[in-house]
Amino acid sequence: DAEITQSPRHKITETGRQVTLACHQTWNHNNMFWYRQDLGHGLRLIHYSYGVQDTNKGEVSDGYSVSRSNTEDLPLTLESAASSQTSVYFCASSDHSDNEQFFGPGTRLTVL
Amino acid sequence: AQTVTQSQPEMSVQEAETVTLSCTYDTSESDYYLFWYKQPPSRQMILVIRQEAYKQQNATENRFSVNFQKAAKSFSLKISDSQLGDAAMYFCAYRGSGNQFYFGTGTSLTVIP
Repeated sequence: DAEITQSPRHKITETGRQVTLACHQTWNHNNMFWYRQDLGHGLRLIHYSYGVQDTNKGEVSDGYSVSRSNTEDLPLTLESAASSQTSVYFCASSDHSDNEQFFGPGTRLTVL
Repeated sequence: AQTVTQSQPEMSVQEAETVTLSCTYDTSESDYYLFWYKQPPSRQMILVIRQEAYKQQNATENRFSVNFQKAAKSFSLKISDSQLGDAAMYFCAYRGSGNQFYFGTGTSLTVIP
């Protein structure tokens, strides 16, 4: 069965370190998205991609970057982790014809 | 950007009773999609129900139904015969002409045995 996975599921890091969160989908979807979930804010869009080599900034993109070298993967990089980036991160994917986003299980990131 | 508002941070319902979760949105588009997602303690986001704006008929999925009022830009979720497994965070979401989704801040539903 097709799926979307994220790794690691939990990560603790220190302020200033570079961190990369992986997202891999086997749906063969063109569209991929990264969100962060914080209490009182719901899900906020960080970056998104509509295809290979395409990346776009979302609502809260500062301090984050993504790259899309193939259809299946959209890794999210925190260039220099800050305590304000402690959050739960979700990856999602969809196709142009879909009216649904499929979500990964989430990654809980703690920045100390 | 479109905004989605869920004005009820927390709701509770007795088991077997009915509860309605509210959602309003702001948009200038005429063609769009609305969704309710459920997030149980496992954190997995699960699609509950979706509504196409061009359809006048309210969507229904078993015990879950919506009251879609396009002119009022309102999209509420009704859960009938509530079960303990319905306890979760519920998110309302909007998708317009692009592929981006806009989410509300969520409503935490407690089901009381």
